[in-house]
Amino acid sequence: EADIYQTPRYLVIGTGKKITLECSQTMGHDKMYWYQQDPGMELHLIHYSYGVNSTEKGDLSSESTVSRIRTEHFPLTLESARPSHTSQYLCASSVDGSSYNEQFFGPGTRLTVL
Amino acid sequence: KNQVEQSPQSLIILEGKNCTLQCNYTVSPFSNLRWYKQDTGRGPVSLTIMTFSENTKSNGRYTATLDADTKQSSLHITASQLSDSASYICVVSDRGSTLGRLYFGRGTQLTVWP
Repeated sequence: EADIYQTPRYLVIGTGKKITLECSQTMGHDKMYWYQQDPGMELHLIHYSYGVNSTEKGDLSSESTVSRIRTEHFPLTLESARPSHTSQYLCASSVDGSSYNEQFFGPGTRLTVL
Repeated sequence: KNQVEQSPQSLIILEGKNCTLQCNYTVSPFSNLRWYKQDTGRGPVSLTIMTFSENTKSNGRYTATLDADTKQSSLHITASQLSDSASYICVVSDRGSTLGRLYFGRGTQLTVWP
């Protein structure tokens, strides 16, 4: 079944740890995105990718990094987590060339840094 | 500045009642407007998408309207159910970039009581 997956769903870690949030989609979409969302606030784009080996920074400055080695996989990494990184991280994908640019979202990872 | 404003911020209604959520935007050039439903701890799921030429679109008990002249949209929910409790997010896409950037509102938190 075509879908978009994120793991882990919840993560609680201590300050200074390195973490990687996984995102995979089975829809064959070229474009992928990472958003950050705090409670009661709008989604903010932090990274996006047009396809393999393409990564760009979004509107909201983030200390995280991303990679796109395979079409279906778009992981996000924090080298040294801090309490300010506590948030919900949402991954999304869309098909290139769509007039709607409809984005399909994963279930999200809620990150808590102690 | 491209913005999306939603009202009310939160709303409580009784099961079976109708409600209407509002969205005003200043995004230009306009491409399309979509309403998403986001359950707590989950990613947003698309309800409706409307382009400039569409002024109403329905999806079951959800009916969205768009007035491109006044840059306003509404989402009407008929015969509410407990499962309608969620955040409803208005999202506007521009057509001024190859990315098809999305602008998110902060959402209206709807609670349906039995």
